[in-house]
Amino acid sequence: EIVLTQSPATLSLSPGERATLSCRASQSIGTYLVWYQQKPGQAPRLLIYDASNRATGIPARFSGSGSGTDFTLTVSSLAPEDFAFYYCQQRSDWPLSFGGGTKVEIK
Amino acid sequence: EVQLVESGGDLIPPWGSLRLSCAASGFTVSNKYMAWVRQAPGKGLEWVSSVTGGGGTFYADSMKGRFIVSRDNSMNTLYLQMNSLRVEDTAVYYCARGSSSASIFDSWGQGTLVTVSS
Repeated sequence: EIVLTQSPATLSLSPGERATLSCRASQSIGTYLVWYQQKPGQAPRLLIYDASNRATGIPARFSGSGSGTDFTLTVSSLAPEDFAFYYCQQRSDWPLSFGGGTKVEIK
Repeated sequence: EVQLVESGGDLIPPWGSLRLSCAASGFTVSNKYMAWVRQAPGKGLEWVSSVTGGGGTFYADSMKGRFIVSRDNSMNTLYLQMNSLRVEDTAVYYCARGSSSASIFDSWGQGTLVTVSS
């Protein structure tokens, strides 16, 4: 089973600042890494798939990078609507798995 | 427009059974990867089960032997039969659609709450 570890658990930033979120896999998953955003009371929303591809309608301030075991989600300049929880998910092997999440909160 | 609507969540005692439904519109479930993902109160996302376009089924270890995923192509609906429910199964259960025959979940339902308690 592939374990995904996200860090930090909480990121306290101000609007306009850059956010850098990390997701580390317990074994190599190539680029089979997906990122989601979730706001309280809402379903998750697909942001990035296969490590670096933005999903339809996702703003260019969101970018993903990495391969193997280390991955990064970057928000270049936080907009007010970006304060939320972020989860990574691997689709390299069964069982699928999610990371524990990072909360991006307003400082 | 793609839409997923879950139903069937309820308060159920331990060891009970429940079937969740996910009615899809705007696409055909029969040729898509579909999945159930759950979220316990105040916790993160946890993958539960998937069914591939070819009909293959996969489960998280803690659900194997207790949960069964299926779909009714005529109703365009995904199901999750949950048996031998435990307190730790309490969660919001989401159904999700995979994009491009892969486990990249591009559409999600609003979720249905399952509470397991005596």
